Amino acid sequence: GEDVEQSLFLSVREGDSSVINCTYTDSSSTYLYWYKQEPGAGLQLLTYIFSNMDMKQDQRLTVLLNKKDKHLSLRIADTQTGDSAIYFCAETIGYQKVTFGTGTKLQVIP
Amino acid sequence: DTGVSQDPRHKITKRGQNVTFRCDPISEHNRLYWYRQTLGQGPEFLTYFQNEAQLEKSRLLSDRFSAERPKGSFSTLEIQRTEQGDSAMYLCASSLSPDSLHNEQFFGPGTRLTVL
Repeated sequence: GEDVEQSLFLSVREGDSSVINCTYTDSSSTYLYWYKQEPGAGLQLLTYIFSNMDMKQDQRLTVLLNKKDKHLSLRIADTQTGDSAIYFCAETIGYQKVTFGTGTKLQVIP
Repeated sequence: DTGVSQDPRHKITKRGQNVTFRCDPISEHNRLYWYRQTLGQGPEFLTYFQNEAQLEKSRLLSDRFSAERPKGSFSTLEIQRTEQGDSAMYLCASSLSPDSLHNEQFFGPGTRLTVL
């Protein structure tokens, strides 16, 4: 199966940390991605992690991968109003298509 | 601008009409992908090309849909006899054939189709 699931909505206060969670079902996934989509804009790749890694940090972003539970999370430190967007978890197997989750809408309250 | 471009950005059509969308990938990218995104959902894979060869098609791609990439550069997606259920954002992405399994795809802004 290739289902990628996310919670639909997350609301945080500016300056707090945001944690967006994702579960996937295909244990053959090689790379896992986080994309950001702002209104009227295309998808922007934020970060990715290879399946043999547990964690990756990139400035304010921290990705955690639990392969046993097929659970992926994205932590955004010091969340800003500009982080308000829809965040998609995605997986890829091999060279081909990317399978996206349903997206989590992040609302940052000033 | 050297990113992925799509044309038109918006298309409104009546049910039963044919529509065609164009995607221009990043110039050195040999892979090109089409996705469809409906409201409240993530993008769903439709098809992809390596150069001019169409290598995979999703079962979502019914007989009314056809995609081409005749010279291995730009691509077109045609929908014949459009139905209201075809209303969606159609996204194009491109990538380089990766040396590793990491296949970073760069997305265009999409074409929003509304079928009345």
